[in-house]
This record gives sequence, structure tokens and C-alpha cells, in this order.
Amino acid sequence: GIQVEQSPPDLILQEGANSTLRCNFSDSVNNLQWFHQNPWGQLINLFYIPSGTKQNGRLSATTVATERYSLLYISSSQTTDSGVYFCAGIKAAGNKLTFGGGTRVLVKP
Amino acid sequence: DAGITQSPRHKVTETGTPVTLRCHQTENHRYMYWYRQDPGHGLRLIHYSYGVKDTDKGEVSDGYSVSRSKTEDFLLTLESATSSQTSVYFCAISVASGTYNEQFFGPGTRLTVL
Repeated sequence: GIQVEQSPPDLILQEGANSTLRCNFSDSVNNLQWFHQNPWGQLINLFYIPSGTKQNGRLSATTVATERYSLLYISSSQTTDSGVYFCAGIKAAGNKLTFGGGTRVLVKP
Repeated sequence: DAGITQSPRHKVTETGTPVTLRCHQTENHRYMYWYRQDPGHGLRLIHYSYGVKDTDKGEVSDGYSVSRSKTEDFLLTLESATSSQTSVYFCAISVASGTYNEQFFGPGTRLTVL
């Protein structure tokens, strides 16, 4: 299967700061998703982004499929952005989602 | 909300007892999945199903079995629970059309095996 690496593993932000989370894949993927796991454990879909750039409010994501990485941008962070951010991908011609280890984000007021 | 429910949401059991977790979906999606989440490991696939009575193993399937007798229900069974199976279990469905294939997750079941 594919290997998914996320960086950084931990991130502490002051409210209002911007940040970038990175996800690297060991092989080509034809499905790439970003999730936010909130402090109550719920997994929330942020983006489905196998390629290109998408934006949703203060969050945006970019995937460069040819170079096997994806970036998640958080702008003007808020305390509600705290939690763990996961990226996950499905290998080309597969149907099993493989997760990275996550980036734990803490936004301080 | 992808219409996924899991039951029970919390369970405490003793080593050696059988446990069954249920995942229910309301939208008749073909693919369903069971994952476990442990500190330091992220989410790992246990089993998945691609249709009624069609199932396959994931990366951590030892000690688990699954069944899918109806499209809407996917059951995960621990035949004889062990302390190493203490975890949070997530069910997921795949919304697929052509090359589009996005997974959505249920609320999770926290299982403690004493």
C-alpha cells in the first residue's frame, strides 16, 4: 500500500495566525481527502481534492498530484480550528483509504 | 451528514466476551468500511464491504469478522475480545460516481476491553 506522511506532527498557533499543513504520498493517488477531527472525536470532511486548489471559507487546499503532495492552509485561525487534521488517499486503481498520522493543532486565544 | 449511525456509541466489556458493533446507513451506498483509531497509529482499515455478502480484509483484520446481510447494515464482530482491541471504531461509507470516490465517517464507537 501507499505511505502517507504528514507534517508537522504538532502545531501551536495564536488566534489569528496563518499556517500550512503538508501531506506527502509515496505513490500516486486518485483520491485525496482532508479531515478535521474535533475535540469530541468527530471526523469532519474538509476537502475532496485529488488535484488542483479548493477554498472553503478560511480553509483552502492544494494538491499537486504529479509531485505527490497536498497542502492545507488555515488562515486567521480560531480556537474552533483546534483538533487533529488528517489527510488520506486511495492508491490509483484501489479503493482503500490510507491515512496519515495527523497534525495536532492547538489554537490559543 | 451522510446518514451514518453507529451503535453502541460506548461499550465496556471483559476479555473473552463476544462483541458486535453495528453500522447503519440510510442511503444505500455500495461500499462500507470499518476502521480503528489508536493513539500513534491514526486510522487503520479493519474490513470493508463492496456489496451484500461481499467483504474483504484490511490491514488489521486479525481478531475481527464482519457481515453484511443488508445494504444498509455492516456489522463488526470481535469473537473473543482482547485488551488490545480497546480502541475507537469508526464506520465509513463511500460515495462514488465515476472517478469520484469520497468517504464519510460515522460518529464512532468507543470500546474498552477490561
